[in-house]
Amino acid sequence: QKEVEQNSGPLSVPEGAIASLNCTYSDRGSQSFFWYRQYSGKSPELIMFIYSNGDKEDGRFTAQLNKASQYVSLLIRDSQPSDSATYLCAVNMRTGFQKLVFGTGTRLLVSP
Amino acid sequence: EAQVTQNPRYLITVTGKKLTVTCSQNMNHEYMSWYRQDPGLGLRQIYYSMNVEVTDKGDVPEGYKVSRKEKRNFPLILESPSPNQTSLYFCASSSIATDTQYFGPGTRLTVL
Repeated sequence: QKEVEQNSGPLSVPEGAIASLNCTYSDRGSQSFFWYRQYSGKSPELIMFIYSNGDKEDGRFTAQLNKASQYVSLLIRDSQPSDSATYLCAVNMRTGFQKLVFGTGTRLLVSP
Repeated sequence: EAQVTQNPRYLITVTGKKLTVTCSQNMNHEYMSWYRQDPGLGLRQIYYSMNVEVTDKGDVPEGYKVSRKEKRNFPLILESPSPNQTSLYFCASSSIATDTQYFGPGTRLTVL
């Protein structure tokens, strides 16, 4: 079992729709969770982080964390073509130092 | 402007010719890390550093060396590059106070 798993996609949604991206992780002791957006050939850009169970909203983005089920998700409301990118889920699996383990990413395509 | 810089951005070299990829951050971050990104494998950590003179192996350290003589710099050294080290490399940094990592622009390395 991979430590952090994501569906590779592509996930295709029409402009204006809600895109839902999911991620599961293997280590129950994981403490913090991150979503990065990566355009082709570019560096990962932090979108959101979440530490506690529940929802965290920032503009059009909502991160959801369920530690009991070991999954974290990212919702993108009112999706725009500029949101088309690969979304990387990253999990800090150890307390005390900052080892991020990344999923392989989900490619999102938003069509006009 | 707070940033992580890497040089060179693109490099084509031949097997066995030693090279160094530089990484520098201006945010006074304690933690720095090197990743490589390959299709289908995602981002994998090569080495990391918790502070000056403190470095440790990540998940794929073979064939790489690092040093941390100054807080702002964390160079990646390939003593004898091989074709399987052809990849996209990212440097990242974060503060000990948070575990949010910020990435440099990437270095695309091709070893012939």
